[in-house]
Amino acid sequence: QKEVEQDPGPLSVPEGAIVSLNCTYSNSAFQYFMWYRQYSRKGPELLMYTYSSGNKEDGRFTAQVDKSSKYISLFIRDSQPSDSATYLCAMSARVTGGGNKLTFGTGTQLKVEL
Amino acid sequence: DAGVTQSPTHLIKTRGQQVTLRCSPKSGHDTVSWYQQALGQGPQFIFQYYEEEERQRGNFPDRFSGHQFPNYSSELNVNALLLGDSALYLCASSWAGTQMNTEAFFGQGTRLTVV
Repeated sequence: QKEVEQDPGPLSVPEGAIVSLNCTYSNSAFQYFMWYRQYSRKGPELLMYTYSSGNKEDGRFTAQVDKSSKYISLFIRDSQPSDSATYLCAMSARVTGGGNKLTFGTGTQLKVEL
Repeated sequence: DAGVTQSPTHLIKTRGQQVTLRCSPKSGHDTVSWYQQALGQGPQFIFQYYEEEERQRGNFPDRFSGHQFPNYSSELNVNALLLGDSALYLCASSWAGTQMNTEAFFGQGTRLTVV
């Protein structure tokens, strides 16, 4: 079993829809949770960074973390064609001596259609 | 403010050869990590460098080695290339700061093709 599970999609939605992207994980030591957006043949771009449980909002994006269920979500409101990309969840744990090794999901491919 | 820069952007090598990839971290960052991303997969952690030493390592063979320089830039070396090493190699930088976990920012990657 992978430490981080993410539905690969593809997910296709109409412009203006609310998009929900999710990841589950098995390692209870994870405390830091991130969402990255990756356009084709580009490096991942950090969208949201959350520590522990709770919600965080940034413009059209909302990240939610439920540590009790080992479940994280990213919501995109008023989705735009420019949001079409692969969305990667990533997690890390605090380790003695520092370090922030990220464990990624496989990524969900999103297409927002006109 | 320059972000994370990687070179080269593309590379084609023959099986058995050696390759060196380079990374300059984002300004103010002192920690560099390397990841391998196969097609259709999420990035896999190779290793992380801080204060010129390897601090963490993922499940990659010794053919993968690295180095960090005093200016925080880093190199990834892969020896005895295999066809399966074909992937996008990503460099990420972050700030060690107070040893708290901090955000990692990625470069555009180097696409390595082994033929």
